[in-house]
Amino acid sequence: RKEVEQDPGPFNVPEGATVAFNCTYSNSASQSFFWYRQDCRKEPKLLMSVYSSGNEDGRFTAQLNRASQYISLLIRDSKLSDSATYLCVVHSGGSNYKLTFGKGTLLTVNP
Amino acid sequence: DADVTQTPRNRITKTGKRIMLECSQTKGHDRMYWYRQDPGLGLRLIYYSFDVKDINKGEISDGYSVSRQAQAKFSLSLESAIPNQTALYFCATSSTGGDREQYFGPGTRLTVT
Repeated sequence: RKEVEQDPGPFNVPEGATVAFNCTYSNSASQSFFWYRQDCRKEPKLLMSVYSSGNEDGRFTAQLNRASQYISLLIRDSKLSDSATYLCVVHSGGSNYKLTFGKGTLLTVNP
Repeated sequence: DADVTQTPRNRITKTGKRIMLECSQTKGHDRMYWYRQDPGLGLRLIYYSFDVKDINKGEISDGYSVSRQAQAKFSLSLESAIPNQTALYFCATSSTGGDREQYFGPGTRLTVT
């Protein structure tokens, strides 16, 4: 099982659609979880952290299921500007620092 | 001005040449990282440094070396470039605490012919 595995995509959705991205991780000791966004040919930027209780930021909702080692990102009412690659990122925690990035899922929102 | 800068932004070099990629940050962070990104492979960690006297290998350090000249500067060298080192290279920084947000530079697109 790969350390961090995401939906391969790409996703093509119309404006206003709801889209969900899924991610699984293999290290049960992982402590912190994030979604990053990367625009074409640009650097990745933090979109949101993911907490056990789930968290919401406007149209974006992130969920974590530790038992299933599963992370999700839901985008409601998609905008053209949401078109990007979404990276699932996992921190293994402890003194052996390591951030592991998923390969990313490309989202294109169409008018 | 950008908080994390990388030079050069684009570079084409030939096999066997030595090349250095430089990274500077004004965020005052102790931790700095070098990643490479390849299509279909995602971001992979090359080296990281938690302070000026600390250098650690990442998952793909072979063929690379680094130097942490100061808190704000972290450079990546390819001693003898080879074509499979063609990639997009990112520098990143974070504050102390491994679960803190990482801030990325704009990237260096390196092509080795």
